[in-house]
Amino acid sequence: AQTVTQSQPEMSVQEAETVTLSCTYDTSESDYYLFWYKQPPSRQMILVIRQEAYKQQNATENRFSVNFQKAAKSFSLKISDSQLGDAAMYFCAFCSGNTPLVFGKGTRLSVIA
Amino acid sequence: NAGVTQTPKFQVLKTGQSMTLQCAQDMNHNSMYWYRQDPGMGLRLIYYSASEGTTDKGEVPNGYNVSRLNKREFSLRLESAAPSQTSVYFCASSELGASETQYFGPGTRLLVL
Repeated sequence: AQTVTQSQPEMSVQEAETVTLSCTYDTSESDYYLFWYKQPPSRQMILVIRQEAYKQQNATENRFSVNFQKAAKSFSLKISDSQLGDAAMYFCAFCSGNTPLVFGKGTRLSVIA
Repeated sequence: NAGVTQTPKFQVLKTGQSMTLQCAQDMNHNSMYWYRQDPGMGLRLIYYSASEGTTDKGEVPNGYNVSRLNKREFSLRLESAAPSQTSVYFCASSELGASETQYFGPGTRLLVL
């Protein structure tokens, strides 16, 4: 069974600084998809970024980028120029083909003004 | 375009009572999902429906049943609620399958006494 591990239950970052959230996963599949979802205090789950494993190029979305290391089974999220609105729970998730998403337990990010 | 809607937003049940959580999406998505979120556990899949007319068990299906009423609607039923089912429940949908971006509803907070 696939597993997703987020080893940092909590992180904090100063406003305008950069922070990296870690995620590792375990799978024997070669073709799969990885996601980062954000859950602010409103509880609404929002997609931050999506990576297809067969693409070597790291996905980016504005201030959000990933470092995808397929051999190491690592998928970290970098948030640049952190803003107060980035404060949230961040969940890493994995799926293979059409098997459902498996989520990590999340990292709570605090942004300090 | 409301996206994914869930009713009710909050519910209190007594042990042994039954209830149905409703979910609807207006994005013409094929796949729909029910998750539960418990503190420190991330999101865990209860049931999913890859397409209209099909349903499959997820990681934690015991104590629940689902109905894919039509393409838009996917309901989750608790036949005999237990305190262990106290949780926040999220419905989500995606266009074709789990590898696509999932769009989440606002959640239903359920308390079973």
